[in-house]
Amino acid sequence: GQQVMQIPQYQHVQEGEDFTTYCNSSTTLSNIQWYKQRPGGHPVFLIQLVKSGEVKKQKRLTFQFGEAKKNSSLHITATQTTDVGTYFCAGRTSYDKVIFGPGTSLSVIP
Amino acid sequence: EAGVTQFPSHSVIEKGQTVTLRCDPISGHDNLYWYRRVMGKEIKFLLHFVKESKQDESGMPNNRFLAERTGGTYSTLKVQPAELEDSGVYFCASSQARGLGAKNIQYFGAGTRLSVL
Repeated sequence: GQQVMQIPQYQHVQEGEDFTTYCNSSTTLSNIQWYKQRPGGHPVFLIQLVKSGEVKKQKRLTFQFGEAKKNSSLHITATQTTDVGTYFCAGRTSYDKVIFGPGTSLSVIP
Repeated sequence: EAGVTQFPSHSVIEKGQTVTLRCDPISGHDNLYWYRRVMGKEIKFLLHFVKESKQDESGMPNNRFLAERTGGTYSTLKVQPAELEDSGVYFCASSQARGLGAKNIQYFGAGTRLSVL
């Protein structure tokens, strides 16, 4: 079946270091969304990418959608303790189904 | 505007009992989704309503799970009888529309943490 994978599963960084999580789909996606879930919280929508090769920025966060629309990445520059949480990508398939990746759990050491 | 609300926030039941989870979507959102996250694993899709109709229920694990959305407003997810492996966090999400535009963004509720002992 269709799958969305994310790596790494866990990442521990020193505050101020950069962080990147990668999302890969087994099939071409219509769009991809990124969510952040704080510990004990619920997924909160961050951004949606639709176009092939699209790059969007939100302050220290940079999101990319691959040319083939099968992969995506989220890069955080100079992490802060407020960035702690699990980052999920969610790909929308051609059948209009949203498939979540397993998430990357980020820990930031002050 | 109120967000997606779920009730209860926590539920602890014994194996074999019945539990009913409720989700109130954002007003005006026709699309309602149920997801489940088992400890440390991915958020798995359970089913999708468009108004009161089940659009896709391919993620429902078995016939012990029953979801309803009478009148196209709030939805309930009943687990009967509950098993140990049903433990996890059940999320509900709603969106205004489907497709590629901004209206397809899903807004999540806080989830119901279900523990089956």
